[in-house]
Amino acid sequence: DSGVTQTPKHLITATGQRVTLRCSPRSGDLSVYWYQQSLDQGLQFLIQYYNGEERAKGNILERFSAQQFPDLHSELNLSSLELGDSALYFCASSVALAGTGELFFGEGSRLTVL
Amino acid sequence: AQSVTQLDSHVSVSEGTPVLLRCNYSSSYSPSLFWYVQHPNKGLQLLLKYTSAATLVKGINGFEAEFKKSETSFHLTKPSAHMSDAAEYFCVVSLTSGGTSYGKLTFGQGTILTVHP
Repeated sequence: DSGVTQTPKHLITATGQRVTLRCSPRSGDLSVYWYQQSLDQGLQFLIQYYNGEERAKGNILERFSAQQFPDLHSELNLSSLELGDSALYFCASSVALAGTGELFFGEGSRLTVL
Repeated sequence: AQSVTQLDSHVSVSEGTPVLLRCNYSSSYSPSLFWYVQHPNKGLQLLLKYTSAATLVKGINGFEAEFKKSETSFHLTKPSAHMSDAAEYFCVVSLTSGGTSYGKLTFGQGTILTVHP
């Protein structure tokens, strides 16, 4: 158990809809990262937050947004969903903004868009 | 820009035989390199990491990797495979500055390791 909790584990929705994925980092970790894992793109970095502020952005679509709250949990919002957004979305956390590179991953939220 | 290439998408070994998972990297700066493992329906777990200290890095569960700058490689090895090693393995590169790494990791495409009895 990594200590990172993601909900929901599975989500099935329709095109055009909006969903919110939630992540609780390990106790004491200030950085939260979101990754998308799909068969065609592999694991792609989406976005990083540190202590409530956005710190790095990757291949995140404009239809997607994220935030980190004062209690350090994070939410990833996906809107106007398309079939191609079906993927496994991972949240990871680490203690520092820039550390040893070790991230602790949750078990992911599997999104299926029909 | 940084990237990693995992040379094999699938590797199949028999239990008790050596494991070799190959990874080449490309980075404009001093890289930090990692191997992560993903068991079915689980999140990723760090196996080992190289951050410019010793070039031979030992990780968990008997795995080790050697950083070879001249070959831009970071291959993962294990002397004797166990059934529980069956999983997907990812080679990962991260930019390094002043001995620390950044959280924006670049993942390889993964190698699925199958272990036969």
